[in-house]
Amino acid sequence: EPEVTQTPSHQVTQMGQEVILRCVPISNHLYFYWYRQILGQKVEFLVSFYNNEISEKSEIFDDQFSVERPDGSNFTLKIRSTKLEDSAMYFCASRTSGVYEQYFGPGTRLTVT
Amino acid sequence: AQTVTQSQPEMSVQEAETVTLSCTYDTSESDYYLFWYKQPPSRQMILVIRQEAYKQQNATENRFSVNFQKAAKSFSLKISDSQLGDAAMYFCAYRILYGQNFVFGPGTRLSVLP
Repeated sequence: EPEVTQTPSHQVTQMGQEVILRCVPISNHLYFYWYRQILGQKVEFLVSFYNNEISEKSEIFDDQFSVERPDGSNFTLKIRSTKLEDSAMYFCASRTSGVYEQYFGPGTRLTVT
Repeated sequence: AQTVTQSQPEMSVQEAETVTLSCTYDTSESDYYLFWYKQPPSRQMILVIRQEAYKQQNATENRFSVNFQKAAKSFSLKISDSQLGDAAMYFCAYRILYGQNFVFGPGTRLSVLP
């Protein structure tokens, strides 16, 4: 069964550094999402992406964040200058048209020191 | 703004018994979708069950069923014949009909006792 994959599984970075989290959505999916989950807290929406542009974003998704679909398979989340409070699990999700549920990847644990 | 509440931070159930996880939500929309996702220790979020608000019939998926009370804005999950593999964090989630993002509840940690 097709799955959403994410790399790396764990990323450690120093405060102020840039990080890029990578996701490969399911191949025929058209809608892509990033969520984050700070340890012990609920999953929070960051951004949705469709037709090569952001369709919706939350207050969390400020100018430090950006998303890109650089080719036909990858979907990336970039954090330009990481802060300690960016430490969290980041989940990528995707869905196809006409389907309501989103399929989640296994997550990337980001640790900012 | 839509909110999702799960009032039970932790629940436990004996293997083979039945457990019900609660979820309530707040919305002014009439058309939306509700979901239960399971997050086992591996941390991958897995869809358990989905309910369309316009459907009166409660969704079922094998041992999993929901009790959807639209007027009360309640969406509980019943797990029958609980198995050790059901142990996980369970998140209730909401999405408006033409929206993109999910709104998640805080989760209920379910333990299954042998």
